[in-house]
Amino acid sequence: DSGVTQTPKHLITATGQRVTLRCSPRSGDLSVYWYQQSLDQGLQFLIQYYNGEERAKGNILERFSAQQFPDLHSELNLSSLELGDSALYFCASSVDLDTQYFGPGTRLTVL
Amino acid sequence: DAKTTQPPSMDCAEGRAANLPCNHSTISGNEYVYWYRQIHSQGPQYIIHGLKNNETNEMASLIITEDRKSSTLILPHATLRDTAVYYCIGTSYDKVIFGPGTSLSVIP
Repeated sequence: DSGVTQTPKHLITATGQRVTLRCSPRSGDLSVYWYQQSLDQGLQFLIQYYNGEERAKGNILERFSAQQFPDLHSELNLSSLELGDSALYFCASSVDLDTQYFGPGTRLTVL
Repeated sequence: DAKTTQPPSMDCAEGRAANLPCNHSTISGNEYVYWYRQIHSQGPQYIIHGLKNNETNEMASLIITEDRKSSTLILPHATLRDTAVYYCIGTSYDKVIFGPGTSLSVIP
């Protein structure tokens, strides 16, 4: 158990819909990262927040957005969903911007 | 961020040492080499990291060449539970780029 929690574990929705994924970092960690992993694909870095501020951006679509709240939990919002957005979404957290600890992931299925 | 190259797959007999190589020839002086692994569709798990010196922890050993252009992760006595995809990453404090990794199969 990494100490990072993600909810929900599974999410099934339809094309065109909007969903919100939630991540609670390990106690004391200030940094949160979001990754997308499509079937049989590698981990694609989406975005990183550090203490509430956006720090680095990867291949995140304009339809996707994220934020980190004052209590350090983070949410990833995915809108206008397409079939290709079906994937595992992982959140990770770190103390010092180095070693990342990953949550169990949210499996999103878009029908 | 350093680009890393790893063999796509490897096999290892149970109980033997698994040696997983990684090439990171473009790594800069302040970038650490990190290793993570992902078992099936679980969240990736941190294994070990290093800058210049060899490192060892309860999970594995990391050998980094003197020129820092490559490294080897060693699992000293591989078990079936070590079957996973292993990622070698170069990172300088923020964005982490995961390549396709090495799929290690431990054979009974």
